[in-house]
Amino acid sequence: EPEVTQTPSHQVTQMGQEVILRCVPISNHLYFYWYRQILGQKVEFLVSFYNNEISEKSEIFDDQFSVERPDGSNFTLKIRSTKLEDSAMYFCASSDRVAHEQYFGPGTRLTVT
Amino acid sequence: QQPVQSPQAVILREGEDAVINCSSSKALYSVHWYRQKHGEAPVFLMILLKGGEQKGHEKISASFNEKKQQSSLYLTASQLSYSGTYFCGTEMRSDYKLSFGAGTTVTVRA
Repeated sequence: EPEVTQTPSHQVTQMGQEVILRCVPISNHLYFYWYRQILGQKVEFLVSFYNNEISEKSEIFDDQFSVERPDGSNFTLKIRSTKLEDSAMYFCASSDRVAHEQYFGPGTRLTVT
Repeated sequence: QQPVQSPQAVILREGEDAVINCSSSKALYSVHWYRQKHGEAPVFLMILLKGGEQKGHEKISASFNEKKQQSSLYLTASQLSYSGTYFCGTEMRSDYKLSFGAGTTVTVRA
């Protein structure tokens, strides 16, 4: 069964450093998403991406964040200058159409020290 | 606009039933239900589109009351494997954005 993959599974970085989280969505999917989940809290929407551009973004997704689909398979989330409060589990998801099932990847645990 | 889930937590014995509610103050286009086990990614259960439809996944079913902008998830004859945190996700229109509720932690005991 096709699945969304994410790398790395765990990333530790120092405050102020840049990080890039990588995702490989399911191959025939067209809609891509990033979510984050701070430990013990709910899943929060960050951004959605369709047709090579951002469709929606939340208040969390400020100028420190950016997304890119550098080639036909990868979907990346970059945090330019990490803060302690960016520590969370970051999930990538994809779907084949709007208002349809979103398949979540296993997540990347980001720890900012 | 984030949906409101209730209850926050529920403890069941195997075989018991439970209802989880998800409500919004805004008109919804769709409601998604996910289950997340500790340390794992959310897993899709079902989606309901506006129109009052009802769906089922094994012995888990859900309904969507468009008038009340409320969805309910029904856990019937619960099994140990039903334990986890259930999140509803709502879309107010077809805008590629899913807002999740705070989650309901379900614990099923033998």
